Amino acid sequence: QKEVEQNSGPLSVPEGAIASLNCTYSDRVSQSFFWYRQYSGKSPELIMSIYSNGDKEDGRFTAQLNKASQYVSLLIRDSQPSDSATYLCAGGGSSASKIIFGSGTRLSIRP
Amino acid sequence: DADVTQTPRNRITKTGKRIMLECSQTKGHDRMYWYRQDPGLGLRLIYYSFDVKDINKGEISDGYSVSRQAQAKFSLSLESAIPNQTALYFCATSDLRTGNTGELFFGEGSRLTVL
Repeated sequence: QKEVEQNSGPLSVPEGAIASLNCTYSDRVSQSFFWYRQYSGKSPELIMSIYSNGDKEDGRFTAQLNKASQYVSLLIRDSQPSDSATYLCAGGGSSASKIIFGSGTRLSIRP
Repeated sequence: DADVTQTPRNRITKTGKRIMLECSQTKGHDRMYWYRQDPGLGLRLIYYSFDVKDINKGEISDGYSVSRQAQAKFSLSLESAIPNQTALYFCATSDLRTGNTGELFFGEGSRLTVL
């Protein structure tokens, strides 16, 4: 099993809808989780971090973590065309010394 | 100006050549990382460094070496480049002092093509 797994997509969502991005992880990546957004031809940028079970909201973004199921998700409400990008899920071990990335999910918001 | 600067941004080279990718940062962060990105494989960690005297291998260090010349500089070398090292390389930094070491700040990337 890969340490961090994501569906590569593409995921196509109509403008204004909720986009749901999912990620699963192995026991080797268990303490902290991050969502990065990467526009085509650009470098990744952090949009959300989550460390404990439950939901964390920031504007239109909500990160959800379920450690029992080893599952982390990102919800984007009121999706906009500017949200079209690749979303990378990442996780860190006990010291967060290494941040391991999933392969990314490509999201396309259609007008 | 970018806080994390990579040079060169693009490089085409031939099999067997030695290549160095350089990274410098003005963020004052202690931790620096080198990742490579390939289509469908996401970002894979090559090496990371917590300070000048602390360098660690990542997932895919074979064929690569690094040098942390100063807190602000971290270079990646390919001693003898091969075609499957063709990829987009990213340098990143993080700040131990904030406690959020998972927040990585990336350079703009160096696209390397090995013919």
